[in-house]
Amino acid sequence: DIQMTQSPSSLSAFVGDRVTITCRASQSISTYLNWYQQKPGKAPKVLIYAASSLQSGVPSRFSGSGSGTDFTLTISSLQPEDFATYYCQQSYSTPLTFGQGTKVEIK
Amino acid sequence: EVQLLESGGGLVQPGGSLRLSCAASGFTFSNYAMSWVRQAPGKGLEWVSGISGSGGSTYYADSVKGRFTISRDNSKSTLYLQMSSLRAEDTALYYCVKNRGYTVTKYYFDYWGQGTLVTVSS
Repeated sequence: DIQMTQSPSSLSAFVGDRVTITCRASQSISTYLNWYQQKPGKAPKVLIYAASSLQSGVPSRFSGSGSGTDFTLTISSLQPEDFATYYCQQSYSTPLTFGQGTKVEIK
Repeated sequence: EVQLLESGGGLVQPGGSLRLSCAASGFTFSNYAMSWVRQAPGKGLEWVSGISGSGGSTYYADSVKGRFTISRDNSKSTLYLQMSSLRAEDTALYYCVKNRGYTVTKYYFDYWGQGTLVTVSS
């Protein structure tokens, strides 16, 4: 099974800050890496797919990069509505696996 | 508009069984793989099972293999998850999720239902 490790597990940031979350796969997954955002009490929604493609309707302040085993999600200027938990997920092979999540909180 | 409506959750004793259903609408159901993803209270996301668009290929997490069975009825646009030998650690909100493509792998989850809660307790 492919293990996905996110860091950090949580972070505190100010509105307007640039935020970066990393995700590492235990083996190469090419660019089969997706990022989701989940707010309390809500279902997750996809932000980035195939490592760097922005899902339709998602603000351009979100971006993704990486390939192989190392990936990043960047929020260029954190907005109040971005405080949430973020998950990476590999779709390279089954069992599909998620990272443990990164909770982004207000500082 | 894509809609995924889960049902069938509830309270069940350890060792019991439950069948979840997910009624899909707003897209050509048979063209897309589907998955179940669960989230234990206060915990992260765990993929449980996936099925290809035709239903001919099914996949499971190790934690549920041999106990859960995924299936679909494309004529009814409905996804199912038959759960048996339930354990306390299966307690979670179960999401029905649409894959972006026909196969379970190589795509992403583009639509999620609101989830149905399964509680395994005596």
